Amino acid sequence: EDQVTQSPEALRLQEGESSSLNCSYTVSGLRGLFWYRQDPGKGPEFLFTLYSAGEEKEKERLKATLTKKESFLHITAPKPEDSATYLCAVRVATGNQFYFGTGTSLTVIP
Amino acid sequence: DAGVTQSPTHLIKTRGQQVTLRCSPKSGHDTVSWYQQALGQGPQFIFQYYEEEERQRGNFPDRFSGHQFPNYSSELNVNALLLGDSALYLCAEGKGSTEAFFGQGTRLTVV
Repeated sequence: EDQVTQSPEALRLQEGESSSLNCSYTVSGLRGLFWYRQDPGKGPEFLFTLYSAGEEKEKERLKATLTKKESFLHITAPKPEDSATYLCAVRVATGNQFYFGTGTSLTVIP
Repeated sequence: DAGVTQSPTHLIKTRGQQVTLRCSPKSGHDTVSWYQQALGQGPQFIFQYYEEEERQRGNFPDRFSGHQFPNYSSELNVNALLLGDSALYLCAEGKGSTEAFFGQGTRLTVV
C-alpha cells in the first residue's frame, strides 16, 4: 500500500535555528514528490517538485532533497513568517492523485 | 498563484442535508481534483475530473459525487451529510502529471 509518513509532527525552532523535516515514502513507482506549505484555514501552497533521487531544489530559506526512500525539507535560519504546516505528497505510477502525509507543524519563535 | 477559486468559503449544514461546492480553475488547466482535509490531517483524494469525465476516484462513498463543465469548472456534491463530513474541502487544478495548485478551500461544518 502506498504510504507517506512525515516527522516530526510538530517542531518549535528559535529564529535562526536551522533544522530539517522528513518525509518517508513507500510507493509502487514514484512519479513525483511534492512539498507544500499550508497556513491555518488556507489551501496548500506549492513549494517544490522532485522527480528523481539526488535531485535538489531551493527557494529562499528552503531546500528540498530526495533519496529513493525519503525527502528532506531543510530550513536555514528560519524566520517567524516560516511558521506553517509543511505537507509532503507523492504521485504514483498507477494513478493521478496525490497521497499526502499528515504534515509537520512548524513554529518559529522570535 | 494559479488562481483557483472556490465557493463558498464557509458553509454550515445540518445532518442529512445535501451540499454543493464549486471550483473554478485557471483558464487552460483541464484537470480538477477534489480533496477532503479533516482537522490535523493531510488532504485525502476524493476524485479527479478530466475533460468532463471522472478519471479516478478515491476511497469515498457514493454520497460524494461530482461534475466538470466544458469550461473546466467543477462541482462537488455530498448527499445525506454526516457529522464526519465536516472538513476543509480543497479543489486542485493541474495539467497532466505536474504539480497541482490548490484553492483556498471551503470549510464545511455539519451540525
